[in-house]
Amino acid sequence: EDQVTQSPEALRLQEGESSSLNCSYTVSGLRGLFWYRQDPGKGPEFLFTLYSAGEEKEKERLKATLTKKESFLHITAPKPEDSATYLCAVQAHSNYQLIWGAGTKLIIKP
Amino acid sequence: GAGVSQTPSNKVTEKGKYVELRCDPISGHTALYWYRQSLGQGPEFLIYFQGTGAADDSGLPNDRFFAVRPEGSVSTLKIQRTERGDSAVYLCASSLTKTSGGERKETQYFGPGTRLLVL
Repeated sequence: EDQVTQSPEALRLQEGESSSLNCSYTVSGLRGLFWYRQDPGKGPEFLFTLYSAGEEKEKERLKATLTKKESFLHITAPKPEDSATYLCAVQAHSNYQLIWGAGTKLIIKP
Repeated sequence: GAGVSQTPSNKVTEKGKYVELRCDPISGHTALYWYRQSLGQGPEFLIYFQGTGAADDSGLPNDRFFAVRPEGSVSTLKIQRTERGDSAVYLCASSLTKTSGGERKETQYFGPGTRLLVL
């Protein structure tokens, strides 16, 4: 069964304190792994897609990496505006739906 | 350009009533998805359209749920005889599929959701 697990459930950091969020997955043939950001009361906002192990992508203070079993979202010197829930999802070769983790709620204190 | 829009933004109904939720995808996007999200959880797949047809409806929980996309653009999710357990945020996403190296690739872009509360 395709499955995504994210950890930790919540993470509180001081402004400027770098850290990483984890997304572990099992999927029968990975088509792509996706990272989204979700603010309260809003829909998920697309951040990155990773297609193969070893791939990395960066956007501002965020960097996503992928191995055959997990993905990390590294956040460098975060700011309070980076506070949000970060969701990870996988798409299998066999279909087009996204299978989601429960998310990591990130809080950055000024 | 305009993103995915969903109406209404909030819907309160009574148990047993019928509701319709509307999704306007990004212009030109051929694929459309419905998901629902409960508090503190990731979205859960409901149904996927490619053009006018439902290509995968395996996520619909039971026959009270039905969705249409008659002209390949706007989609309506219909819920009959609503139950309190149907309360959730219903999310719509659209995508423009591309083929690269023989592999289909796409990014799903989400609307703001409709918050459904069944009393």
